[in-house]
Amino acid sequence: DTAVSQTPKYLVTQMGNDKSIKCEQNLGHDTMYWYKQDSKKFLKIMFSYNNKELIINETVPNRFSPKSPDKAHLNLHINSLELGDSAVYFCASSQDRNSGNTIYFGEGSWLTVV
Amino acid sequence: GESVGLHLPTLSVQEGDNSIINCAYSNSASDYFIWYKQESGKGPQFIIDIRSNMDKRQGQRVTVLLNKTVKHLSLQIAATQPGDSAVYFCAEGVTGANSKLTFGKGITLSVRP
Repeated sequence: DTAVSQTPKYLVTQMGNDKSIKCEQNLGHDTMYWYKQDSKKFLKIMFSYNNKELIINETVPNRFSPKSPDKAHLNLHINSLELGDSAVYFCASSQDRNSGNTIYFGEGSWLTVV
Repeated sequence: GESVGLHLPTLSVQEGDNSIINCAYSNSASDYFIWYKQESGKGPQFIIDIRSNMDKRQGQRVTVLLNKTVKHLSLQIAATQPGDSAVYFCAEGVTGANSKLTFGKGITLSVRP
């Protein structure tokens, strides 16, 4: 069983389109995250949700809108895609909102904007 | 701002040798540190963690050392194997509500057969 699963794994789309990436975790964790990894492999947190409540928003453009229908799901919707949005997006989860808990990552979604 | 960084961008080692990957952190308030391994095409995987009340922690073939005086963290891999080839990240955090992990730049470990 995959602990943190995200879809799609690969996504190629044109500038200006709107796309979504879905994420689900079956670990029973309270907290979920979206991280962005750029071409230099640098990992940066975008959002964090705890029990469906947004707790971290790292100055991400408004075009990015996370949605958490329940604590096991955290989807990422991106409007008006730009070339600079091309990156790998990782969903992750941890037991709760406190640091000191291991963060478990999904396999990543490779987004290419052309 | 605070940052976490790695001294070397790439590390090449002979199979069977020991590997040492180093990391410097600058947030003196950090009390929790994790090493992650990311294989090509996959997400980061937890390797080992250490809290600031410890200097050393051992796992299977891996050891993490923490030197709070100089804000330095290292990951030692014993008898490096081809399967250890990956990008390694150190991450730091401060225990508390809504805390977040800050990741350093990755370092590529390449194992020569």
